[in-house]
Amino acid sequence: GAGVSQSPRYKVAKRGQDVALRCDPISGHVSLFWYQQALGQGPEFLTYFQNEAQLDKSGLPSDRFFAERPEGSVSTLKIQRTQQEDSAVYLCASSLVWTNEKLFFGSGTQLSVL
Amino acid sequence: GQQLNQSPQSMFIQEGEDVSMNCTSSSIFNTWLWYKQDPGEGPVLLIALYKAGELTSNGRLTAQFGITRKDSFLNISASIPSDVGIYFCAGRGEYSTLTFGKGTMLLVSP
Repeated sequence: GAGVSQSPRYKVAKRGQDVALRCDPISGHVSLFWYQQALGQGPEFLTYFQNEAQLDKSGLPSDRFFAERPEGSVSTLKIQRTQQEDSAVYLCASSLVWTNEKLFFGSGTQLSVL
Repeated sequence: GQQLNQSPQSMFIQEGEDVSMNCTSSSIFNTWLWYKQDPGEGPVLLIALYKAGELTSNGRLTAQFGITRKDSFLNISASIPSDVGIYFCAGRGEYSTLTFGKGTMLLVSP
């Protein structure tokens, strides 16, 4: 596709539910990043993939958060047993190579946990 | 972790005015980036800086990489209504991922 595509755009979950957020990066982009953006804040790093390898997951807030990119293209961020503090916009970004700072962001998934 | 302080938090200006915002870091960065985010969208890269002292322009936007490598500035000249949005600085150390500031909200009155 022409840009980074994320789905769904909006997700409302009841506390305790599991959610899965999808990211389709730009075709051919090696690196894929997940960021969490709370209201009024800047994006905060969650995790990073180079192809299918998850090279850094130091930003994942708890073991309820899990990300995968099994074939090196589409990625899924899964949050188990959602809590209210998980409510945020989850942004996915891709770049051609690791050293390329030109991150192209998707529009994000706005998650609201009630 | 790395901390970025971005100021001002918000600005409300008249169309045609120049704007200046800055970012300071608690640690040295090798790269400084400036992004703009419109409501409901992801950040879009405006300017990238790679060397201390570097001054780079993109149309009406000019950004500088501070010589201490711990700060950066973004200037917007002759602002127009479509400049409205949230501007984020972001920095990267040698082996680290991007760290973003908290943003400067810019409002432009026609």
